[in-house]
Amino acid sequence: DTEVTQTPKHLVMGMTNKKSLKCEQHMGHRAMYWYKQKAKKPPELMFVYSYEKLSINESVPSRFSPECPNSSLLNLHLHALQPEDSALYLCASSQDSGNVAQPQHFGDGTRLSIL
Amino acid sequence: AQSVAQPEDQVNVAEGNPLTVKCTYSVSGNPYLFWYVQYPNRGLQFLLKYITGDNLVKGSYGFEAEFNKSQTSFHLKKPSALVSDSALYFCAVRAQYNFNKFYFGSGTKLNVKP
Repeated sequence: DTEVTQTPKHLVMGMTNKKSLKCEQHMGHRAMYWYKQKAKKPPELMFVYSYEKLSINESVPSRFSPECPNSSLLNLHLHALQPEDSALYLCASSQDSGNVAQPQHFGDGTRLSIL
Repeated sequence: AQSVAQPEDQVNVAEGNPLTVKCTYSVSGNPYLFWYVQYPNRGLQFLLKYITGDNLVKGSYGFEAEFNKSQTSFHLKKPSALVSDSALYFCAVRAQYNFNKFYFGSGTKLNVKP
């Protein structure tokens, strides 16, 4: 079992739908991440939150909207997605930048399919 | 700039034989290096890290990695491969200017045959 929980595990949506991905961790980590991963490729960083503030946005299209309601929760709101957005979306967390030795902990992801 | 390279898309090894998955890095300061493994339909799992100290780092599931500063390498090794080690392996380096950012290698698919 992973310590980072993502829901739902699978999501199929049309291009006009609005949906949200959720991520939760209870390890006291203060940095949380969203990654997009295509099959057999490395994760691509999308967003980083540090102490509930957005610290990195890797030029992600506005149809993806992150939200960090508190230190344990991270959401990714989806609207008007394109077929090329179909991928595995991974959430991760880590202790914040004060400790360079700490790795990221990943959830098992949400498999997103856009029809 | 920081980056890591994994020169092999795939590594094939027989069960019981030693395995090596290669990683080279490029950093402008101290390297903070990590190895992760990903099984099908799962997230990435942390295996081991090099921050400072001994060049031979031991990690989970019998894996170890050798840090070589002169060759800028951080190869993952295991003395005796198991079929269950078959998975996708990623090397990663932590960014120097923003410790919340990690750069991943392209990944290496390890196939262990019985």
